[in-house]
Amino acid sequence: QVQLQESGPGLVKPSETLSLTCTVSRGSIISYFWSWIRQPPGKGLEWIGYVYYNGSATYNPSLKSRVTISVDTSKNQFSLRLASVTAADTAVYYCARTVGMLDYWGQGMLVTVSS
Amino acid sequence: DIQVTQSPSALSAFVGDRVTITCRASQDISNYVAWYQQKPGKVPMLLILGASMLQSGVPSRFSGSGSGTQFTLTISSLQPEDVASYYCQNYHSAPLTFGQGTRLEIK
Repeated sequence: QVQLQESGPGLVKPSETLSLTCTVSRGSIISYFWSWIRQPPGKGLEWIGYVYYNGSATYNPSLKSRVTISVDTSKNQFSLRLASVTAADTAVYYCARTVGMLDYWGQGMLVTVSS
Repeated sequence: DIQVTQSPSALSAFVGDRVTITCRASQDISNYVAWYQQKPGKVPMLLILGASMLQSGVPSRFSGSGSGTQFTLTISSLQPEDVASYYCQNYHSAPLTFGQGTRLEIK
């Protein structure tokens, strides 16, 4: 069964760049799309974007100007960068395998934006 | 972008009740709808794909229906372990979009 694990700093200062990595194990990153999703405390789910294993990425228009999602097939990892963060970006960030629907999810990582 | 409107936002029912949650899409998305369950403090879990196909391991009291713009998640007999938030998701086209969520509680 595919497993995903998010990693990265849990605290980011306002105006800086949030960077997270998702490591995929017990399965290959090849031939799938891979998404980032976030959930502010007490709120609903928001899709950030996804990347195909060949590096082609698609983003939520609401975040497109600040987001970059990339993939490293040699490490079976994909990454999220979100620039110019504010307190509104405080959320649990999930990575997930995407086959249209999101069938395997990481455990999630709380990222707090605060000085 | 395709908007997805979910209702109700919160729901309280008795154990054994039949519960229905509705999701409406802003345009025809065929059957490209998934439903997720998120228990408090946990990761969302895929329940239903293709509007009506039960994910492996999901109890048969859960069912999904609909196509086009109107979709429904039904729990035929509510159990205490079903306390959770439920989300629908459009995957007809990017951006993938979620409903606002329904918080389900036991009376």
